[in-house]
This record gives sequence, structure tokens and C-alpha cells, in this order.
Amino acid sequence: AQTVTQSQPEMSVQEAETVTLSCTYDTSENNYYLFWYKQPPSRQMILVIRQEAYKQQNATENRFSVNFQKAAKSFSLKISDSQLGDTAMYFCALLDDKIIFGKGTRLHILP
Amino acid sequence: GAGVSQTPSNKVTEKGKYVELRCDPISGHTALYWYRQSLGQGPEFLIYFQGTGAADDSGLPNDRFFAVRPEGSVSTLKIQRTERGDSAVYLCASSPRSGARETQYFGPGTRLLVL
Repeated sequence: AQTVTQSQPEMSVQEAETVTLSCTYDTSENNYYLFWYKQPPSRQMILVIRQEAYKQQNATENRFSVNFQKAAKSFSLKISDSQLGDTAMYFCALLDDKIIFGKGTRLHILP
Repeated sequence: GAGVSQTPSNKVTEKGKYVELRCDPISGHTALYWYRQSLGQGPEFLIYFQGTGAADDSGLPNDRFFAVRPEGSVSTLKIQRTERGDSAVYLCASSPRSGARETQYFGPGTRLLVL
């Protein structure tokens, strides 16, 4: 069975610092996709970044980057130069035939 | 352009009542997904449609839950004989097509509270 584990229920960092959110997963598939979604208090899930498992290069979107370790089944999210607007719940998700979400990490960016 | 919209944004009902939750996907998106998000949890898959047909309903918890998409656009999630445990945020998402390559775009959800 596919699983997604986020071991950090909550984190706080100062504005402008760099923060890394952890995610591990398990799947028997070889081709799959991984995502990080952001959910602010408005509840709307916003796609932050996606990674295709067959691509070795780590995905990057502006201040957001991932460290994808396929053999270790690890998919961490790094947020550089954190901003107050980054405060939200962050969900790691695995997609092969259907999407499985982790329980989320609540991130607070402190002024 | 318009994103995924869901109505109502909040719904309070009494145990045993029937509720309908509506999802308007992004125009032209053929795939539509429903998820349930309980407090402190990530979203859990319920059902997805490709066009008008339910391609996978394996996440529906029991036969009190049903969803339709009669014209391949708007979808309605229907819950009969609601129970307190049904209280959650119900999220809808759409994508241009189904399949792992497609990014899902989420609506703001409907918060359902069953008293």
C-alpha cells in the first residue's frame, strides 16, 4: 500500500530564513509523481512544486526546491528566504493511480 | 480565469439529514475529483470522474455517499442520513485530463458540520 509520512507536525522559523520540510513515502510503483501542496487558512490547496520520479534532477520553483532521493523514498521541500505569506499547512503527496496525502506540516513564519 | 468553485462554503446540518455539495470545475477540465479532509489530516480520496462517468469510486466510505456529474462539468456530492463523523472539509479538484501527469487544481472546499 502507498503511504506518505510527514514527521514534523509543526515548525516555526524567522522570516528570511531557510526551512526544510521532510516527507518520506512508500510505493511499489516505479513511475509516479510527488507533489508539495500549500494550504493557507483559506483552505484552498495550492500546488507548490511537483517532481516526476523518473527525472533525477530536483525540481525548483523560485524560492522552493526539493531534495528527491528515490532510493531512500524521501522528498523534502526547502523554502529559501521565507516570507510571512509562506505561513500555511504544507502537504506532501504521492500520485500513481490515485493521490495520497501526508498529514501535513504546519509552518509558521515569524516576523 | 476562474478556478474551481465550491458551494456552499459552509454547511451546518443535523444528524440524519440529506446534504448536497456542489463543485464547478475549471472550464474544459474533463477530470474531477472529490476528497474529504478531516481535522488535522490530509485530504483523502473519495471519487473521481472522467467526463460523466465515475472512473474510480473506491474511496467512498459507504453507500450513504454518492456523486454525480451528469453533463461532464458540474458535480454534486450527495450524503444521505448524515452522521456526526461526516463532519469535515470536502474538497473538489479538476484537471485537464485524468492520469498521473496531470496537475490537480483544488477548490476552496465546503466545510460540513453535522450536529
